[in-house]
Formats: sequence, C-alpha cells, structure tokens
Amino acid sequence: KAGVTQTPRYLIKTRGQQVTLSCSPISGHRSVSWYQQTPGQGLQFLFEYFSETQRNKGNFPGRFSGRQFSNSRSEMNVSTLELGDSALYLCASSLQGFEGYTFGSGTRLTVV
Amino acid sequence: DQQVKQNSPSLSVQEGRISILNCDYTNSMFDYFLWYKKYPAEGPTFLISISSIKDKNEDGRFTVFLNKSAKHLSLHIVPSQPGDSAVYFCAASGNNNDMRFGAGTRLTVKP
Repeated sequence: KAGVTQTPRYLIKTRGQQVTLSCSPISGHRSVSWYQQTPGQGLQFLFEYFSETQRNKGNFPGRFSGRQFSNSRSEMNVSTLELGDSALYLCASSLQGFEGYTFGSGTRLTVV
Repeated sequence: DQQVKQNSPSLSVQEGRISILNCDYTNSMFDYFLWYKKYPAEGPTFLISISSIKDKNEDGRFTVFLNKSAKHLSLHIVPSQPGDSAVYFCAASGNNNDMRFGAGTRLTVKP
C-alpha cells in the first residue's frame, strides 16, 4: 500500500511569505499529525487532525494552522514566515491515534 | 516544554556490542511509549513500543524497558549492527492522543 506522501519535498521561501504544505495519509487512516523537526529539538508536535477536526494542538503560535479534508488529506499553513521556521516538517498518519504512526519523508522548508 | 528528554545526543558502539539508549519523561499521565528510528532523508519509522502496564517488551534484537517510578525508559539493541546506525527518537503519549518526542540520539555502530 502507498505510504504517507508529503509535498513538496523541498521549499525555499522568503521571510514574511506564507507557505502551505500537503500530506496525503495512508488510505483508511483518519488521524493525521504534524511535527516540526529542528536540530537539537527533536520532533515538536504541531497538531493532530481526526475526521476533519483538530483534536490536539501543540505550543506553536497562531501563524501555524492546519486543516483536514473529507478524504483525510491534510494541509499545514504557516503565515508570516520567520527565519526560525526553517525546519523539516513531518506528517504522520494512523488509523485512530498514536498507535502505528507512519511518517512521510517530510518537507524541508528553508526561510531566507 | 520538553516532557520527553533524551539527554545523550549521540552514542557510538562497536558492532556486536550492546547499544543502550535512554529516555526520561516528566508527565505522569503518559501511559504508552514508543521508539522510532530515523535515517537521513526519510521519515521516522516505528521500532518498538511498551504500555505502562508492562516493564519490558522484546522484539528480536530490540528490548524496551520501562521504569515507571523513575519515569525512565531505555532501548537495548543486542547485538548492534552497522545498519542500526540512525537517529533514535523516544516518544510518549497519554490519553489525549497526541505524542511527544524527545530530541533524538544519534547511534553510530562501528564495524
């Protein structure tokens, strides 16, 4: 079966711009979570969506937002980009919750 | 708030020896713990998990130990192989369905 697909793989944006990242979960998976990975900080939890509803949210500013569509695909949006937003953004999907998370390969965002 | 901590950023062991990766957590509501392995340019992949009702779970060369009173878990890899070289993330979750990860430990297994 197809894995978790994240697009694009790489992205370069300028400070102040906004960006939208996409995640297509494994077919049948209804839970999608987003994480930010930076060196030394590990994986920081952004938010989790289940059946189009945000079920959990991490400690990130309101510039970070997301949504989930009826087909479980999810998008993450970051507005007014800052240099510190440069990171690898990972999406993970699972059937219901945290069991058996499957991660995508991530989107590498560079803010210049 | 780092609720899950991996205090060793890196670990180097000889092939065939034991690798021990450590993880501490602060939230007593966590009741499910996982280890993920990550290779460069790939997303993390699930390795092994343990529920808080157990203190040990074994899967082949990988064993996870949980010490609830100390809020500590460890991953043992025996014997270590060069292909085990990767970044290992410890993760924990409670009943709110979100998962918190540690900063990761880079394991290098030397031939």
